[in-house]
This record gives sequence, C-alpha cells and structure tokens, in this order.
Amino acid sequence: NAGVMQNPRHLVRRRGQEARLRCSPMKGHSHVYWYRQLPEEGLKFMVYLQKENIIDESGMPKERFSAEFPKEGPSILRIQQVVRGDSAAYFCASSRTSTAEAFFGQGTRLTVV
Amino acid sequence: GIQVEQSPPDLILQEGANSTLRCNFSDSVNNLQWFHQNPWGQLINLFYIPSGTKQNGRLSATTVATERYSLLYISSSQTTDSGVYFCAVVDTNAGKSTFGDGTTLTVKP
Repeated sequence: NAGVMQNPRHLVRRRGQEARLRCSPMKGHSHVYWYRQLPEEGLKFMVYLQKENIIDESGMPKERFSAEFPKEGPSILRIQQVVRGDSAAYFCASSRTSTAEAFFGQGTRLTVV
Repeated sequence: GIQVEQSPPDLILQEGANSTLRCNFSDSVNNLQWFHQNPWGQLINLFYIPSGTKQNGRLSATTVATERYSLLYISSSQTTDSGVYFCAVVDTNAGKSTFGDGTTLTVKP
C-alpha cells in the first residue's frame, strides 16, 4: 500500500507564474489536508477536502490560492501569480476518516525566484 | 480555535540520555499524533494516541485527555533521533489537525 504521494518534490517558479501541486492520498483514504511550512516554522493548516467537496478552507489565503479534490485523480493545490512569500514546503496528508490517523506525503518544496 | 503548546522549544542531549517532551492543548480532542520531522524534512508518524499509553522501541507516549496533555518519552537517545518533534491534535469540532510549534532535539555523539 503506497503512502501519500506528492509531486513534484521540488518546484521552481518565477514571480507571476502559476504553481500546481499534486497529492494522491493513500488507498482507501477520502480525507485530504494541505499544510504549509515556512522555513524554521511549524505546519500551518490550509484546507481540508473530501472527494469533490471543500470541508474547511479557513487557512487558505483569500486570493491566488485554490484547492480541489475531484472524483477521479489527485488533489490539486493551485497558486496563481506566485510571489516570493509563497516559497515554502507544502505538505499533503490523508486519512480514512476525519479522526483517524493522518499520514503525510514527503512535501513539495516551492521556490519562487 | 484550539491552542497547542509544546515544551521545551529546544533540547540538546548527549547520546544515551533520556528525555521527555510535552504537549499541552486547550480543548477536548478526537485525535492526537506525534511526528518526527527529520533533517531532510520528512514527517514520520510516531504515535496516534488520543488517550492512553503506547510504546514503540525506545519511544513511548502517554496522553491524559482529561488533563489535556501528552508526553513523548525518548530513552537512550541516538544521533538519528535529532530533528523536530511535533504534536498535532484534532479537536472535536474540526477535522483538521492543529500543530504545535515543535521541539527541536539535537543529540550529540
């Protein structure tokens, strides 16, 4: 049973470009969470999704950021018109239920130049 | 929202020493997990422990849900234990995890 898969592992974007981060949850997991980790800081919640639904997006910046978890395929975190402050590690986690053990992917390290 | 506080923020040990890391949380929780983030940034699940005590080799954890704290014990520490240890909780009103700021552990040979 493969773990949570995130790709790409590293992503470099110029200011103003779009970044797309992908997350495939573990088999049998329908709950997906995205977190952001700035250098030398802890993980901050961004968004919680179930298949085709956004359950909680209280941690998402109001502009430029969006997330989806379609019926088929991976969850996508999309950042439009990236700025230097978006440089961070973005982690995805999945779980079987909202209170079950969550497992994390290896993260995508976004660098905006 | 729920508040999660970890202590100490930093800890330096000699190899072979024991340590206790603490996680306090401000409200009832449905889920509590301990993670180790290694120097390469990978998050490794240590314990899923909303209550009670669990042991896994040199590591053990205890959560006293009624008193809103959890402890992570590391015995006979090794240099490979270095990294950041995070506590994360899911409160009863939310599905998301809230992380503490972590304890940075450095084990010296």
